[in-house]
Amino acid sequence: AQRVTQPEKLLSVFKGAPVELKCNYSYSGSPELFWYVQYSRQRLQLLLRHISRESIKGFTADLNKGETSFHLKKPFAQEEDSAMYYCALKGSQGNLIFGKGTKLSVKP
Amino acid sequence: DGGITQSPKYLFRKEGQNVTLSCEQNLNHDAMYWYRQDPGQGLRLIYYSQIVNDFQKGDIAEGYSVSREKKESFPLTVTSAQKNPTAFYLCASKAGTGAGNQPQHFGDGTRLSIL
Repeated sequence: AQRVTQPEKLLSVFKGAPVELKCNYSYSGSPELFWYVQYSRQRLQLLLRHISRESIKGFTADLNKGETSFHLKKPFAQEEDSAMYYCALKGSQGNLIFGKGTKLSVKP
Repeated sequence: DGGITQSPKYLFRKEGQNVTLSCEQNLNHDAMYWYRQDPGQGLRLIYYSQIVNDFQKGDIAEGYSVSREKKESFPLTVTSAQKNPTAFYLCASKAGTGAGNQPQHFGDGTRLSIL
């Protein structure tokens, strides 16, 4: 079965603290994984994808096939990082399979 | 930014009524998708289309219908058979068909409520 699990509904950290949003997946083939972000009153947008191995807005995510994880990390959270974050897995038909999302709240 | 336009932003449905949500894209993308977003549920796939005049059911297609007569348009009809239509609906598009490394681009969404 193709599935994405984000175990935390809400993650609250203080500004400057490290943050890690967890994502685990279930997929029989070679996975393609993404992190999407939805800021308040804005459309859902791509944050990063594992295939690019890039860092966007200070966020990184490493695909760990052994642990079937794709956790999103940032060493020093900023208030503007507060948003809803979705981990997504590309399905066999090009569609995206989303996790239920984690709401990140960064307090001043 | 442009690219994908969903309308209307808010929509109200009376019992027994069919309503249609519009999704238009000017990105020349082949593939288009409809998702339903509910609180605590994430996004779930309703229908998708990889090419004009072809579409496939997603995970929660019951009570919905779509058409893909033009490359740039992928309207979603919420029929009276959908007993719980209140949700936020997101349309997305992607370059290329089938497998590929291109990300999906999303519209602003339509919020549907029952009167």
